[in-house]
Amino acid sequence: IQLTQSPSSLSASVGDRVTITCRASQDISTYSAWYQQKPGQAPKLLIYAGFTLQSGVPSRFSGSGSGTDATLTISSLQPEDFATYYCQQLNTYPITFGQGTRLEIK
Amino acid sequence: EVQLVESGGGLVQPGRSLRLSCAASGFTFDDYAMHWVRQVPGRGLEWVSGISWNSATIVYADSVKGRFTISRDNAKNSLSLQMNSLRAEDTAFYYCVKAWSSMTRGNGYFDYWGPGTLVTVSS
Repeated sequence: IQLTQSPSSLSASVGDRVTITCRASQDISTYSAWYQQKPGQAPKLLIYAGFTLQSGVPSRFSGSGSGTDATLTISSLQPEDFATYYCQQLNTYPITFGQGTRLEIK
Repeated sequence: EVQLVESGGGLVQPGRSLRLSCAASGFTFDDYAMHWVRQVPGRGLEWVSGISWNSATIVYADSVKGRFTISRDNAKNSLSLQMNSLRAEDTAFYYCVKAWSSMTRGNGYFDYWGPGTLVTVSS
């Protein structure tokens, strides 16, 4: 299953609401997840099962979607949110990731 | 606290072999599936291989199938990746990853990642 994220990069300001979309070539049902990666660090799980917030992740992050689409929303950007975000599907093998969305400070 | 620590990375010539290891602690290792994910510096994430809690299910990306072998030792809380016939395109950071469940897909989300070990394949 191929995953296409949009946009590939995004400039935004602290306090902005941001939405990142992941479109799959086939149904990924709820077996999708979102990860955040900061430079020099390993990825961190943010959202799983499409919309469930991982423990310890701030509530300004939310996930939604169904079928072939998944969406990550950050309701009010904080300075620590500037990073690269990846979607993932675990519905079928091979497990795949989107190409990433780089979120930069405007 | 969950900890995953990879080792075994380094510089290796094309065609040679390398074995990566991952030492796990802070959780009941044999309850969970485990994976390897790699990332070329500055690029995106690529899933490499996964293994279920009891090694009954083992899966590979097409790019490494037939060259890489994943294994686990539940008695030693360790995960391994034997990499043979290495190519330049295998150069990447390799992450050891814990799954959220015993399954290698479905609800087996990647909830903990090690810091990664760099493998460089070059002559």
